[in-house]
Amino acid sequence: GAVVSQHPSRVICKSGTSVKIECRSLDFQATTMFWYRQFPKQSLMLMATSNEGSKATYEQGVEKDKFLINHASLTLSTLTVTSAHPEDSSFYICSASTTSGRYNEQFFGPGTRLTVL
Amino acid sequence: AQSVAQPEDQVNVAEGNPLTVKCTYSVSGNPYLFWYVQYPNRGLQFLLKYITGDNLVKGSYGFEAEFNKSQTSFHLKKPSALVSDSALYFCAVRDGPGGATNKLIFGTGTLLAVQP
Repeated sequence: GAVVSQHPSRVICKSGTSVKIECRSLDFQATTMFWYRQFPKQSLMLMATSNEGSKATYEQGVEKDKFLINHASLTLSTLTVTSAHPEDSSFYICSASTTSGRYNEQFFGPGTRLTVL
Repeated sequence: AQSVAQPEDQVNVAEGNPLTVKCTYSVSGNPYLFWYVQYPNRGLQFLLKYITGDNLVKGSYGFEAEFNKSQTSFHLKKPSALVSDSALYFCAVRDGPGGATNKLIFGTGTLLAVQP
């Protein structure tokens, strides 16, 4: 299967700072990337969908000015949590998919644990 | 709107016994159903999917799932559980026929605990 990486795997930051999380598709070109948020012992909540070269589509209730998503290339999408606060602490997971026809499912990254102090 | 339900928060099974993790779905149109597994502090790993064709779908690590249209179910099964199967399992439905670029809607997850 296809491989998706995330960096960093863990990050601890102070309240008010911004944090950038990278999501990379390592062996395929991802036309679409998804960003999810997962709270402890809960399901994944889709935050936004990003297509390469266009603006991300955010789910209802997700602040687009707080969670900035950039999908600048077919192998890289970034999520920037701006002015982070303790309530933003969570496990963030990205996934990637392609319309190339070789794959027909989303491939998930290993996740990033964000802790805001 | 598409949705899936996982009625059990946790399933306990002894090693070597068969296991079933339940999932029911509600969709308009044809269902595109998936199972994923998540180990602690890890992302999701794809197990199997149903798009069309045979109702019994075989996937990774010896897992299989049976698509039942009349019962709107897609239960995950394995004939003989391993302790290493202990993890969090998610059922998901794709929101639309547009392929992998459509978003997934996840169930609440079922924690599988396999006792030695």
